[in-house]
Amino acid sequence: LAKTTQPISMDSYEGQEVNITCSHNNIATNDYITWYQQFPSQGPRFIIQGYKTKVTNEVASLFIPADRKSSTLSLPRVSLSDTAVYYCLVGVIASGGGADGLTFGKGTHLIIQP
Amino acid sequence: NAGVTQTPKFRILKIGQSMTLQCTQDMNHNYMYWYRQDPGMGLKLIYYSVGAGITDKGEVPNGYNVSRSTTEDFPLRLELAAPSQTSVYFCASSPRPGQGSNQPQHFGDGTRLSIL
Repeated sequence: LAKTTQPISMDSYEGQEVNITCSHNNIATNDYITWYQQFPSQGPRFIIQGYKTKVTNEVASLFIPADRKSSTLSLPRVSLSDTAVYYCLVGVIASGGGADGLTFGKGTHLIIQP
Repeated sequence: NAGVTQTPKFRILKIGQSMTLQCTQDMNHNYMYWYRQDPGMGLKLIYYSVGAGITDKGEVPNGYNVSRSTTEDFPLRLELAAPSQTSVYFCASSPRPGQGSNQPQHFGDGTRLSIL
């Protein structure tokens, strides 16, 4: 079970790029890296997922170095509405059953200021 | 687009009472999950199911039971409510992962449960 470590909290300002790094030294060969965002009183919402190198979608980028022992979520030009808790998950939901790595850590509380 | 729907949104129980938290999804997802989230903490997996008739324990299953008679529904039952089960409960679903891939989970908005 790959354990993840993230900063407890981060502050930034509107219009800035924010990078949140997650450490996962014990990542297994089959594990994927998935990031979720959670607002108060809501369930987590999928942001981005990757296995290696770089993945980009319409809201974020995910950078994964070759050794895969860490990953960085990059949010371009943040706004006040990006204030939320961000979770990094490392694991795999196996097609034959089994769900490894489905424990969310405490996440990173990102606060965006005007 | 309803997605994952959880009912009720709020509930207060007395110690020793029982109740069922309902979860239904309309995305035809094979996999479904129940999590609990305590204040200021991340989510912990209670039970999950990879298809109708198949369930398995997660990290914190004690005090809970589940069933999966249909693809759409995955109810969570508390038989003898205890104060330690005061939490927010989230249900999620995901498609069956393909070969060499993974699928993200879709979450409901939770049930806030207080046991007094």
